[in-house]
Amino acid sequence: DIQLTQSPSFLSASVGDRVTITCRASQGISSYLAWYQQKPGKAPELLIYGASTLQSGVPSRFSGSGSGTEFTLTISSLQPEDFATYYCLHLNTDLMCSFGQGTQLEIK
Amino acid sequence: QVPLVESGGGVVQPERSLRLSCAASGFTFKNYGMHWVRQAPGKGLEWVAVIWYDGRNKYYADSVKGRFTVSRDNSKNMLYLQMNSLRVEDTAVYYCARDVRVGGTNHFDCWGQGTVVTVSS
Repeated sequence: DIQLTQSPSFLSASVGDRVTITCRASQGISSYLAWYQQKPGKAPELLIYGASTLQSGVPSRFSGSGSGTEFTLTISSLQPEDFATYYCLHLNTDLMCSFGQGTQLEIK
Repeated sequence: QVPLVESGGGVVQPERSLRLSCAASGFTFKNYGMHWVRQAPGKGLEWVAVIWYDGRNKYYADSVKGRFTVSRDNSKNMLYLQMNSLRVEDTAVYYCARDVRVGGTNHFDCWGQGTVVTVSS
């Protein structure tokens, strides 16, 4: 099974900051990684798929990069609505899923 | 129109059973793999199970294997999760999610609003 490890688990930042969240896979997964944002009491929402493709409607301040075992989600200039928890996700060829443990982004 | 709506959650005693449902609308349900994902209070997302578009293949997380069964009825646009021998640690919000393949990669592009399952004596 693929294990996904996110870092950091908690991140404190200010509006306007540039932040980066990392997701490392226990073995190579090509570009088969997605990123989600979840706000309290809500279902997760898709931000990025295929490691770097921005989902339609997602602001361009979000970007993703990486392949193989290391991936990053970057928010170029934090907005108040971006304070949330972020998860990476990988689906294998059988459609079995692995999630990262999450990164909680809080206001400094 | 909300594409995915879960139901069937509630409070149940340990070792009892519960069946969750997920009603799909607004898309061709039979063309998509479907998943169940759960989130325990204050915890992260945990994948539970997948059923392929035609129902022929099903896979489960180790934590629920042998206790939970995923199924679907493509004629009714319905997804189900039969949960037996429930444990306190199964307490969570349960989401159904649609799997889509784009550009050679799979991901969840649509989630329900979740249904709450509480296992307690």
